[in-house]
Amino acid sequence: AQSVTQLGSHVSVSEGALVLLRCNYSSSVPPYLFWYVQYPNQGLQLLLKYTTGATLVKGINGFEAEFKKSETSFHLTKPSAHMSDAAEYFCAVSVARGTSYGKLTFGQGTILTVHP
Amino acid sequence: KAGVTQTPRYLIKTRGQQVTLSCSPISGHRSVSWYQQTPGQGLQFLFEYFSETQRNKGNFPGRFSGRQFSNSRSEMNVSTLELGDSALYLCASSLEGLAGGEQYFGPGTRLTVL
Repeated sequence: AQSVTQLGSHVSVSEGALVLLRCNYSSSVPPYLFWYVQYPNQGLQLLLKYTTGATLVKGINGFEAEFKKSETSFHLTKPSAHMSDAAEYFCAVSVARGTSYGKLTFGQGTILTVHP
Repeated sequence: KAGVTQTPRYLIKTRGQQVTLSCSPISGHRSVSWYQQTPGQGLQFLFEYFSETQRNKGNFPGRFSGRQFSNSRSEMNVSTLELGDSALYLCASSLEGLAGGEQYFGPGTRLTVL
């Protein structure tokens, strides 16, 4: 079975600083990896995803993530944080198996706080 | 194109009651997945429906059930509510429900069980 671990339940950065949110996955087959963001009282919004091909994936709002198979990681970064980036971020995995229809396995989430 | 809609947005029920939540997917999407989000357990997969058939199910008791209609709208039912069922219930739609496909989430229904 696949699993996701997000290191750090809370991350705090200053406005303009680098954002780094860590995600490690476990999967016995090649994974598909996702980052979602959730603002208060809202659903989840897809930031970016990795399926195949280029390992550096660019998403919305200036975020990007790099798939590193050797490290089983898919860390999310943004060069310069903005106040509007404050939210909870979830890393998720799915795999191409017959029993995986419609199923994402999520990490526990990381709350990002951005200080002025 | 309209997004995923969920009704109602908020519900308050008492223990032992039952509840039905509704989800309308994005037009053209045939797969609907349901998730439960709680502070303690995080986001957990409940089940997925495609063309009116349940194709996948998470580790939840039989009190949690669902169905999908021919227009892809889906409902989720929880019977004999328990305090621990208090959660945000999210539905997500996708074209085919395949791994690697993008899931689009609704705003959720917040259920409070007293």
